[in-house]
Amino acid sequence: AQTVTQSQPEMSVQEAETVTLSCTYDTSENNYYLFWYKQPPSRQMILVIRQEAYKQQNATENRFSVNFQKAAKSFSLKISDSQLGDTAMYFCALSNDYKLSFGAGTTVTVRA
Amino acid sequence: NAGVTQTPKFQVLKTGQSMTLQCAQDMNHNSMYWYRQDPGMGLRLIYYSASEGTTDKGEVPNGYNVSRLNKREFSLRLESAAPSQTSVYFCASSTQGVGSPLHFGNGTRLTVT
Repeated sequence: AQTVTQSQPEMSVQEAETVTLSCTYDTSENNYYLFWYKQPPSRQMILVIRQEAYKQQNATENRFSVNFQKAAKSFSLKISDSQLGDTAMYFCALSNDYKLSFGAGTTVTVRA
Repeated sequence: NAGVTQTPKFQVLKTGQSMTLQCAQDMNHNSMYWYRQDPGMGLRLIYYSASEGTTDKGEVPNGYNVSRLNKREFSLRLESAAPSQTSVYFCASSTQGVGSPLHFGNGTRLTVT
């Protein structure tokens, strides 16, 4: 069984500031993939970033970057230069086959 | 390019009624999924179809049935709706491969009274 835990239900950040979302997971597999998805108020699920566990280099995608600590089973997401359009719920997800297991989500509000 | 299309967007049912949620993808993906989203619980997998002709139970399959009609279409049926099935339902698809990201539809908000 695999589990994903997001311990921060809600976070608030000032526009242009940086916010970091935490995610921890548990899996017995050595080869797996981690994801962050964004769900804005429109309800659409949007892939933000993907990390392959066997790659030590942290993934980045424009203003979004991750801190992947394999030994600690931690996968945090950093949003730099926050924008109003970043307001959304963010889900961490884990996959070691073709199914994804999701965390409970963190609601991020960017304040003007 | 439509991606993953779900119908309907909203639905209200009475307890005991049945309905089918429809999903179609035009990305030639092999795998398709049905998730439900509930507050504080993230997305939970109901059923999935790894490839055309196969379906398997996910984490919360009770009360649901699925049909993989062809490579494009994957439907979810509620035979006798219950208030506990009030949720937002998402269909998703992916290429069949470990670590493939999921592409989601826009969701169906279902209320069972």
